[in-house]
Amino acid sequence: NAGVTQTPKFQVLKTGQSMTLQCAQDMNHEYMSWYRQDPGMGLRLIHYSVGAGITDQGEVPNGYNVSRSTTEDFPLRLLSAAPSQTSVYFCASRPSGVGNEQFFGPGTRLTVL
Amino acid sequence: GQQVMQIPQYQHVQEGEDFTTYCNSSTTLSNIQWYKQRPGGHPVFLIQLVKSGEVKKQKRLTFQFGEAKKNSSLHITATQTTDVGTYFCAAPASGTYKYIFGTGTRLKVLA
Repeated sequence: NAGVTQTPKFQVLKTGQSMTLQCAQDMNHEYMSWYRQDPGMGLRLIHYSVGAGITDQGEVPNGYNVSRSTTEDFPLRLLSAAPSQTSVYFCASRPSGVGNEQFFGPGTRLTVL
Repeated sequence: GQQVMQIPQYQHVQEGEDFTTYCNSSTTLSNIQWYKQRPGGHPVFLIQLVKSGEVKKQKRLTFQFGEAKKNSSLHITATQTTDVGTYFCAAPASGTYKYIFGTGTRLKVLA
C-alpha cells in the first residue's frame, strides 16, 4: 500500500493563479481531511469529507474548494492564490467511526508570491 | 469554536532530561490523540486515550487523560536525540467527525 500520496511536493504560484493540490489514498478510508500548517499555528483544518459526495468546512475554509467524487481522491483547489495561503498542506485519511488514527500524506509546500 | 490549547510552545532539554507537554480543552472530550512530527516530516499517530483517568505507556513515553476528560499530557522520560520533533494533541470537535489539533510543542534535545 502506498498509503496517502500528495502531489506536487513543492509549488510556487503568483498571486491570483489557481491550482489543485492532489491527494489520494489506497486504504479505502471513508474520512479524508485537508490541513494547513503554519509556524506557531499548529495544524488547522481546511475541509474534510466523510465519504464520496460529502464534504464540509473546517476551521479555515475561505479561499479553498474541495470535492470528493471517489473514495480514493480528495483534491484541494485554490481558486485565486494569495500570499496568505503560503503554507505546508497536509492531506489525511482515516477509517470511519469515532477515534480512529489519521494517516497523513508527505505534504505539499506552497509559496504564493 | 472549540479550541485545544497546548503548552509549552517550545522546549529545549539536555539529553537524558525529562519532558512534558500539556493539552487543555474548555469542553469535555470523547477522546484525545497524540501525534509526533519529525522535522521536515508529516504527523504520525502515537496513541489514543478514551477513558477518564487513563494512563498508557509506550517505552519511555507516558500518556495521561484527565479525570474530567478536559486535559491530557505526554511525558517523556530520559529524552534522546531521536525524540526531537513537534508533538501534537488532537481531539474531535463536539458532535462532528472532524479533529482539531493543538498548536504543538516543539522539542529540541541537546546532546
